[in-house]
Amino acid sequence: GENVEQHPSTLSVQEGDSAVIKCTYSDSASNYFPWYKQELGKRPQLIIDIRSNVGEKKDQRIAVTLNKTAKHFSLHITETQPEDSAVYFCAAGVGAGSYQLTFGKGTKLSVIP
Amino acid sequence: DAGITQSPRYKITETGRQVTLMCHQTWSHSYMFWYRQDLGHGLRLIYYSAAADITDKGEVPDGYVVSRSKTENFPLTLESATRSQTSVYFCASRRLAEETQYFGPGTRLLVL
Repeated sequence: GENVEQHPSTLSVQEGDSAVIKCTYSDSASNYFPWYKQELGKRPQLIIDIRSNVGEKKDQRIAVTLNKTAKHFSLHITETQPEDSAVYFCAAGVGAGSYQLTFGKGTKLSVIP
Repeated sequence: DAGITQSPRYKITETGRQVTLMCHQTWSHSYMFWYRQDLGHGLRLIYYSAAADITDKGEVPDGYVVSRSKTENFPLTLESATRSQTSVYFCASRRLAEETQYFGPGTRLLVL
């Protein structure tokens, strides 16, 4: 089955700096790659996603890049703010119907004011 | 977010007892999913359902049973709870033609 590796497990940045989280996946059939943000004690919430026919996608301060050849994708957060502090999960979805998601183990991002 | 709810939000039980966690969504989403979240493991899929009366195993199905008699409900039953099933359980749903999964608020389960 699919295996998703996520790095780093923890990341501390100064407010205003950029943060980058990287994930690799194993199944070349995966074609959907969402990123979820989870604040302490809350549910995971989708912040951005990308499909395999797109190399990069941006939404304000957040961007995701995908390299299908290398089987890796990354989340970039620019101009970080304290409210960006949370755990971020990447995931890979395989299959035309169920899109079962396999999640990475998460990255705890701390933005230091 | 209010469209998918879980109950109870917190549950303490003892080893060997049967426990049922409920998930209800008001969006008429076709797909529903159950995940467990543990430190160091992220989110792992337990079971999923493509429609009423259609269910399939995920990555970690052992010790769990699901059913889906109605589109809006997807209960998860631990037939004989074990300490290793102490976890936070999230239900999720999505539309048939979209990939985005929407998560419920979660149930914190402690098995003593």
